[in-house]
Amino acid sequence: NAGVTQTPKFRILKIGQSMTLQCTQDMNHNYMYWYRQDPGMGLKLIYYSVGAGITDKGEVPNGYNVSRSTTEDFPLRLELAAPSQTSVYFCASSYPAGAYNEQFFGPGTRLTVL
Amino acid sequence: QKEVEQNSGPLSVPEGAIASLNCTYSDRGSQSFFWYRQYSGKSPELIMFIYSNGDKEDGRFTAQLNKASQYVSLLIRDSQPSDSATYLCAVITSGTYKYIFGTGTRLKVLA
Repeated sequence: NAGVTQTPKFRILKIGQSMTLQCTQDMNHNYMYWYRQDPGMGLKLIYYSVGAGITDKGEVPNGYNVSRSTTEDFPLRLELAAPSQTSVYFCASSYPAGAYNEQFFGPGTRLTVL
Repeated sequence: QKEVEQNSGPLSVPEGAIASLNCTYSDRGSQSFFWYRQYSGKSPELIMFIYSNGDKEDGRFTAQLNKASQYVSLLIRDSQPSDSATYLCAVITSGTYKYIFGTGTRLKVLA
């Protein structure tokens, strides 16, 4: 199993450009998440999904959009990129069971907006 | 606003010593608690999970939970230089499977 894969690994955007960060998991997990991590900080939840066709906002959703058409894929769309969106973006997936919810993280996408 | 707080460090300990990492949370409805380790430039990986009051041990790692004090800690015994990383505390509140992460504590184990 490849686990959680993310593309691209690095990207530089100009202010106002748009892009999609790709995330795919092959573990048949129903839950998927997008986080951003700013330098020296923890992870902030942007959006999450509990299954195909179902998404919801996290702590910091402004400036982002998501869709979940399949169990495997959960792309994150940045519209009109701003310098404040410079960050490392992690996608994660999980299959919660009772109190247990281990999240498996992808390798991250490092995004710079200039 | 539900919060999870950690001392950002760095926490420096000599090789072989016990490292003690602490985390407090604000939501009394929190039910599950996780410790993730994140090496520089890498993604987080789970090292401990606890949901009952008391201690839980796994090898050199012990997680301690005190729900009355809203406090969870991670002890690393016989610390090794390879334990040098940032340790993230994550909390799940009732009725949701969403994490709230602390800002992480950077641990340095000195050889």
